[in-house]
Amino acid sequence: AQKVTQAQTEISVVEKEDVTLDCVYETRDTTYYLFWYKQPPSGELVFLIRRNSFDEQNEISGRYSWNFQKSTSSFNFTITASQVVDSAVYFCALSGPKGSARQLTFGSGTQLTVLP
Amino acid sequence: SQTIHQWPATLVQPVGSPLSLECTVEGTSNPNLYWYRQAAGRGLQLLFYSVGIGQISSEVPQNLSASRPQDRQFILSSKKLLLSDSGFYLCAWSTGAFNQPQHFGDGTRLSIL
Repeated sequence: AQKVTQAQTEISVVEKEDVTLDCVYETRDTTYYLFWYKQPPSGELVFLIRRNSFDEQNEISGRYSWNFQKSTSSFNFTITASQVVDSAVYFCALSGPKGSARQLTFGSGTQLTVLP
Repeated sequence: SQTIHQWPATLVQPVGSPLSLECTVEGTSNPNLYWYRQAAGRGLQLLFYSVGIGQISSEVPQNLSASRPQDRQFILSSKKLLLSDSGFYLCAWSTGAFNQPQHFGDGTRLSIL
């Protein structure tokens, strides 16, 4: 069965601090994809990144970086020098079994608050 | 480019009243379509998904229903709303390929009085 665990329900940091959001997943598939989404206070979910199970290289995009470790089934998200605009709920998601239209399994989300 | 529209943005309804939320996608053909609900401070709950016109799969038994009368139109309905139906409803689309992300609309905030 597919499962995504985001153990951190809420995180609060002061602006300019670095923060890491954890994501641990379970799947029986050998090929799968992992995703991160951001949900700002306005509500819409914004797609941030996709990573396939065969690519364990870390990815950096500006202040955002992602660390995928297949050995620990983790796909963690780090924000460097956090800003107030980073305050949002962040969701990690796992692609469904290949051929399943149901597609994504979401974690329960981490509420990040960046204080000025 | 593809866009997804949801309306209304906000809705306040009395208990027992009917519901109709609409979602349309532009710029793509034969998308997979999804309805999610998010209770306050909680995660996303998949309610329905559809892989084609008239094809609806239900994830959670409840007093809600979904329909897909046209390729890029997805409607969420209820004949009689319950207090527990309050929440934030999100529509999403994807190409159907399992390596592709879902793309979400702006959502509808539904309050039941």
